[in-house]
Amino acid sequence: KQEVTQIPAALSVPEGENLVLNCSFTDSAIYNLQWFRQDPGKGLTSLLLIQSSQREQTSGRLNASLDKSSGRSTLYIAASQPGDSATYLCAVPKTSYDKVIFGPGTSLSVIP
Amino acid sequence: EAQVTQNPRYLITVTGKKLTVTCSQNMNHEYMSWYRQDPGLGLRQIYYSMNVEVTDKGDVPEGYKVSRKEKRNFPLILESPSPNQTSLYFCASSPGVAGVSDTQYFGPGTRLTVL
Repeated sequence: KQEVTQIPAALSVPEGENLVLNCSFTDSAIYNLQWFRQDPGKGLTSLLLIQSSQREQTSGRLNASLDKSSGRSTLYIAASQPGDSATYLCAVPKTSYDKVIFGPGTSLSVIP
Repeated sequence: EAQVTQNPRYLITVTGKKLTVTCSQNMNHEYMSWYRQDPGLGLRQIYYSMNVEVTDKGDVPEGYKVSRKEKRNFPLILESPSPNQTSLYFCASSPGVAGVSDTQYFGPGTRLTVL
């Protein structure tokens, strides 16, 4: 059974710092991996999707990498801003037709 | 505007009173899904649908029903709600013709309280 964990559970950094969020999964047979952002009381917003054949994806100050063999993905946020404060979640489906398993999330606080 | 809408946004009900939470998307997406989010348990998938008339169980389907009679709508039905179904519910859709191969777009959420 696929299990997804995220470390750290919470993170507080001063504005301007570069930071890394981690996502680990126990079953490397994944179809893709998606990173989401969730603001308090709101729905999820997709940040990046990495297909299983890819190693990384970039969007602006965000870079996500995927290492299937080790069951890990990292989300790198460059030059963090207070507006980046949110909970970040990763999610994996085993196949495109399978259910999606989410990690518990990392709560990020960027201090001005 | 492309979006996933859910109604109602907030609902307080009593044990055993049947209710339906509607979900609609205007993006012609094939894939739709329901999740619940609980403190300490995170986001868990309830049901998903690859296309019209095709639905499958997620991780926590007990106590829920869904239907997909039209591509745009995917209602979540609680036939006999119980207090342990108090939660924040999210509907999502994805354009992928091959299931969840593409980005998922989430609705704003429905906060349900069952007394």
